[in-house]
Amino acid sequence: RKEVEQDPGPFNVPEGATVAFNCTYSNSASQSFFWYRQDCRKEPKLLMSVYSSGNEDGRFTAQLNRASQYISLLIRDSKLSDSATYLCVVNRPQGNSGYALNFGKGTSLLVTP
Amino acid sequence: EAEVAQSPRYKITEKSQAVAFWCDPISGHATLYWYRQILGQGPELLVQFQDESVVDDSQLPKDRFSAERLKGVDSTLKIQPAELGDSAMYLCASSPDGRNYNSPLHFGNGTRLTVT
Repeated sequence: RKEVEQDPGPFNVPEGATVAFNCTYSNSASQSFFWYRQDCRKEPKLLMSVYSSGNEDGRFTAQLNRASQYISLLIRDSKLSDSATYLCVVNRPQGNSGYALNFGKGTSLLVTP
Repeated sequence: EAEVAQSPRYKITEKSQAVAFWCDPISGHATLYWYRQILGQGPELLVQFQDESVVDDSQLPKDRFSAERLKGVDSTLKIQPAELGDSAMYLCASSPDGRNYNSPLHFGNGTRLTVT
C-alpha cells in the first residue's frame, strides 16, 4: 500500500463550483500534513498546512481526521487560476534523524469557464 | 523572497553518459532534499541531507546515483551512467530544519532531464 494515496482525477468543474479532494495516509506516526499546488511543468509550492482542528485560508479549507488517517481539501468558488495539480503531503518519522515528506501522486483540477 | 537555486534548468544527454545537477538551498536551511518526479507522478525522495550528513538515501539507486553536500550548503546530484528511465524532473528542496516535524519544503525550479 502506498504511503499517501489520492484520486488522480481529473476533476473538471465550472467556475464558481465547490470541489473537494481527499487523501489517505498509511503511517499512523505521521504528525504533519500539507497541501501543495503544482502548475504544469513547474515546481510544487506550499498551498497550506493542515492542522488537527481544521483550517481555512480564503476559499481553501483543509481538514484532518487522524482516526481515519484522512485529509481533505475543499475549494469554494473555483477560479480558472485554480487549475493545477494538488499534492497531498504527509511526513514520515525517520527514527532520530527527523522527518521526510511523502507526496501523493496528485489530483488534477481543471476549472472551465 | 529567498529561493532555492538549481541548475541547469534543462539537460539532454545520451544514455551511458554522466550528468550532474547543482542546488543551492535557501541560506540558513539545514535540511536539503533531492526528489525525482516522473511525469504524472508525485515527487519521490532520493536523498535527504541534514547539514553535510545523509539522513535518508534508501531510495537512491546507488549503483548509478551519487549525492554530496560537502560543506553543508550547496549540493550536487550525479548520475553515471544515465539510463532512458532516468528521464524526469529532478527537484531540490530545502527546509529550515527537517528535524522539526512541522517544517515545510521550499522547492527550486527543478532540472528537467531527458535521456536519449
